[in-house]
Amino acid sequence: SQKIEQNSEALNIQEGKTATLTCNYTNYSPAYLQWYRQDPGRGPVFLLLIRENEKEKRKERLKVTFDTTLKQSLFHITASQPADSATYLCALDIGSNDYKLSFGAGTTVTVRA
Amino acid sequence: GAVVSQHPSRVICKSGTSVKIECRSLDFQATTMFWYRQFPKQSLMLMATSNEGSKATYEQGVEKDKFLINHASLTLSTLTVTSAHPEDSSFYICSATPTGYEGFFGPGTRLTVL
Repeated sequence: SQKIEQNSEALNIQEGKTATLTCNYTNYSPAYLQWYRQDPGRGPVFLLLIRENEKEKRKERLKVTFDTTLKQSLFHITASQPADSATYLCALDIGSNDYKLSFGAGTTVTVRA
Repeated sequence: GAVVSQHPSRVICKSGTSVKIECRSLDFQATTMFWYRQFPKQSLMLMATSNEGSKATYEQGVEKDKFLINHASLTLSTLTVTSAHPEDSSFYICSATPTGYEGFFGPGTRLTVL
């Protein structure tokens, strides 16, 4: 069966450190993978998209890698700040023509000052 | 960036009543919108794809007679939860993709059925 697993439910880190989140998938062949941020009681907010032929993508303090052999994406938040505290979701395209996404359960990051 | 709104943000209703949730794309046209539900500490589960001018496509296990979707214009999709029961209590979120890739999500609607 198809699965998207995000490595841990919660991640607590000290301000200034790098948070690394993992997204592993099975029985998918996504053309692209996305990462979203979700704050409590709010809808997800798009952060980054990485395509299957891209190894790495950066946006400000965020970095995403995508390894289609390992079927894994890593999401890094460098120089983390308390404002980065949120739940981060990875999402895969499921190969439909209408851009449907399948989401992982998310990792909740808490950055301590 | 593209903006998607939802209304209402919260609704409490009695068991057996119907509730309508609106999803609007404010600054772009959306021929396709998606409806998700999310239980506490769980992932977003895609319920259905709303198609402007045609019938919605429902995911496996989602009752189309229970969750009625209407996409009457290029900027509005509605989800009606009919004969709601406590197990329908959840966080309902819609999204649209103006560029065809990254999703723009509404702020969500918290439904509580008493």
